[in-house]
Amino acid sequence: DAGVIQSPRHEVTEMGQEVTLRCKPISGHDYLFWYRQTMMRGLELLIYFNNNVPIDDSGMPEDRFSAKMPNASFSTLKIQPSEPRDSAVYFCASSSLAIRASSYEQYFGPGTRLTVT
Amino acid sequence: LAKTTQPISMDSYEGQEVNITCSHNNIATNDYITWYQQFPSQGPRFIIQGYKTKVTNEVASLFIPADRKSSTLSLPRVSLSDTAVYYCLNGGASGGSYIPTFGRGTSLIVHP
Repeated sequence: DAGVIQSPRHEVTEMGQEVTLRCKPISGHDYLFWYRQTMMRGLELLIYFNNNVPIDDSGMPEDRFSAKMPNASFSTLKIQPSEPRDSAVYFCASSSLAIRASSYEQYFGPGTRLTVT
Repeated sequence: LAKTTQPISMDSYEGQEVNITCSHNNIATNDYITWYQQFPSQGPRFIIQGYKTKVTNEVASLFIPADRKSSTLSLPRVSLSDTAVYYCLNGGASGGSYIPTFGRGTSLIVHP
């Protein structure tokens, strides 16, 4: 398996623009997590899905952020409008409670480094 | 929300064994204990997971005492390439917490 795939790897955009980050989880995994990592706040969970359904989005900073998972092989994280404080590395991870004892055995993608100017 | 406590940083030298201990004060009955490793500019990488006693794989060993209030990640004979941030978590099993909290992790620096 190719592992978790994220695109783009780098994104530079201007304040106010819409940004869409994409993730393809590992085939067969039923959990998908979106994280954000900054020096100031560390690694934060934004939202997670189970079987394509959003389960907890309490980490989503505000209404400018939205995430979807239309099918088991694809998820998006959208920021509209983007702001400089959204600059961070965004990771997607997947796991399977059906295969492993814990959904915390997660496999992370390479991340998307977002810079909002 | 499951939370853990671990040292902010540790230093070691090549060839030594490194033990990083984590406190799991809020661990639930069904929680598993999981450790991750993160190199700069990469996503965290799953290292090892356990429920109780000892687990060993090709990378590390994980020691969990009977009360499960702590865990110790043991890295045998570290090399420079083991310099990374190490995170411990508890949760993820059916009936337990599903919201992973990574915290700040332990920054391990291995010196020549």
